[in-house]
Amino acid sequence: QKEVEQDPGPLSVPEGAIVSLNCTYSNSAFQYFMWYRQYSRKGPELLMYTYSSGNKEDGRFTAQVDKSSKYISLFIRDSQPSDSATYLCAMSDNSGTYKYIFGTGTRLKVLA
Amino acid sequence: NAGVTQTPKFRILKIGQSMTLQCTQDMNHNYMYWYRQDPGMGLKLIYYSVGAGITDKGEVPNGYNVSRSTTEDFPLRLELAAPSQTSVYFCASSPPLAGGSEQYFGPGTRLTVT
Repeated sequence: QKEVEQDPGPLSVPEGAIVSLNCTYSNSAFQYFMWYRQYSRKGPELLMYTYSSGNKEDGRFTAQVDKSSKYISLFIRDSQPSDSATYLCAMSDNSGTYKYIFGTGTRLKVLA
Repeated sequence: NAGVTQTPKFRILKIGQSMTLQCTQDMNHNYMYWYRQDPGMGLKLIYYSVGAGITDKGEVPNGYNVSRSTTEDFPLRLELAAPSQTSVYFCASSPPLAGGSEQYFGPGTRLTVT
């Protein structure tokens, strides 16, 4: 079993839809959780990070962490064609090693 | 403020050749990382550094070497290139806050070994 699992997609949605992207993980020691957006042939861009459990909101983006289920989510409201990209989750424990484990990424297409 | 810069953008190597991928950041970040990204495989950590003079192995360090003589620079050296090292390489840096969670990535170097 991989430490971090992420559905590769592609996920196609109409413009304006609410998008839900998810990752599951197996290591209960993970404390830091990040979401990155990566456009084709570009480097990943940090969208949000959360520490431990709970929700975090930033504009159209909401990140949720459910540590009891080992499940994290990224919601995108009012999705736009410019949101079409690959979304990567990443997570790390609190050991001070700063090693992040990345999911394989979910490719999202928002159709105009 | 350029952020994280990487050179070259593209490179084709023959099997057995060597090269250095350059990475520079101007944000005064202590932590720097090298990742490789293969299609459908996500990002794999090769090496990382928590400060000048300190480096450590990540998940996939074999075939690579790094050094960190300054805060700004973190070059990745490939010795005896192999086809398995064909990949996109990303350098990243982060400040010493929140477990290094705010990682900023460079634009990547696309390497092909034939």
